[in-house]
Amino acid sequence: KQEVTQIPAALSVPEGENLVLNCSFTDSAIYNLQWFRQDPGKGLTSLLLIQSSQREQTSGRLNASLDKSSGRSTLYIAASQPGDSATYLCAVKQPAGGTSYGKLTFGQGTILTVHP
Amino acid sequence: DTGVSQNPRHKITKRGQNVTFRCDPISEHNRLYWYRQTLGQGPEFLTYFQNEAQLEKSRLLSDRFSAERPKGSFSTLEIQRTEQGDSAMYLCASSLVRGATDTQYFGPGTRLTVL
Repeated sequence: KQEVTQIPAALSVPEGENLVLNCSFTDSAIYNLQWFRQDPGKGLTSLLLIQSSQREQTSGRLNASLDKSSGRSTLYIAASQPGDSATYLCAVKQPAGGTSYGKLTFGQGTILTVHP
Repeated sequence: DTGVSQNPRHKITKRGQNVTFRCDPISEHNRLYWYRQTLGQGPEFLTYFQNEAQLEKSRLLSDRFSAERPKGSFSTLEIQRTEQGDSAMYLCASSLVRGATDTQYFGPGTRLTVL
């Protein structure tokens, strides 16, 4: 059974700092890994998706890396801003039924607070 | 394209009552997923549909839970005889299976509180 763990559970940083969020998963047979952002009481917004054959993806100040063999991914946020404050979730998708489509298995999230 | 919508956004009910939630996916998306998220945890998979067929159900989906997608468009999730442990955010996601991609887009969720 796939298990996804995120460290740290919570992180508080001053504005402008660069930071790294960590995600690990137990079964390396994944199809892709996705990072989401969730604001309090809201749904999920996809930030970055990395296919299993890729090593990293970048979008603006965000960079996500994937080391499938070791079961790890990191989300790097550069020059953090108060508006980045949210819960960050990573999720892995595993092939299902011989296809590449399936459910997402989520970590418990990292609560990020960026203070001015 | 208005995104995935869910109704109601909030539901407060007494233990033992039945509740039904609705999810309207993005138009033409053929896959629809339900997840449950409790406070401080990540979402957990409940079930998914390919068009109108329910293809997978989690063990979390007890016999008090039933989901339907009768015409392959909107979906409903019903919980019978609610228990306090059912209190959670219920998230719906939809995707369009195309080639090798299946990116899920999430709705805002329905927050259920069972008193």
